Amino acid sequence: DAGITQSPRHKVTETGTPVTLRCHQTENHRYMYWYRQDPGHGLRLIHYSYGVKDTDKGEVSDGYSVSRSKTEDFLLTLESATSSQTSVYFCAISSGTGPTGELFFGEGSRLTVL
Amino acid sequence: SQQGEEDPQALSIQEGENATMNCSYKTSINNLQWYRQNSGRGLVHLILIRSNEREKHSGRLRVTLDTSKKSSSLLITASRAADTASYFCATDSSGNTPLVFGKGTRLSVIA
Repeated sequence: DAGITQSPRHKVTETGTPVTLRCHQTENHRYMYWYRQDPGHGLRLIHYSYGVKDTDKGEVSDGYSVSRSKTEDFLLTLESATSSQTSVYFCAISSGTGPTGELFFGEGSRLTVL
Repeated sequence: SQQGEEDPQALSIQEGENATMNCSYKTSINNLQWYRQNSGRGLVHLILIRSNEREKHSGRLRVTLDTSKKSSSLLITASRAADTASYFCATDSSGNTPLVFGKGTRLSVIA
């Protein structure tokens, strides 16, 4: 196992509430990513980080923010959840020195927004 | 937008048969990777092939890359029921940006 854990694994929330998903790694890897997976869309990148306090947007970043105050933790926040954000969220870490190396994925966080 | 697109979307074969999945992409790449996802789990890296490589093997997996056609194929030989999963290709479009994934091929291997 790559030493990556996501929490919570399952969450049901209501529209308009804030939600924070946590990704924790024990590998000391520089790169961390948040993807969402939806039927018919595959995996789409939300945000990624290339170091402490260094983050960048992905393809579907609207409505999401991230923070990385420590190497091991990468937080994804939905400031005001909407039903379109119902999805399975995957965190990944990269073993390489750049963002294009092999990715190790967490087990996913299933979020339902009612 | 999707960089890689897998084909077929779904594939059903008998145990012991070979399974072939294809991936087409749009822009130049430095490397192409294949991942596997079992139902309800995270993705697992299978193999990486660089743009200057044409073929790579790993156990029962064989990956080919044709940069002139912007396509790759994943061959799983002598499939087993345990190979039932979704398979995704992922590409880097410029070498310094995160991987972009296709929508995947859902493989069912029937015992």
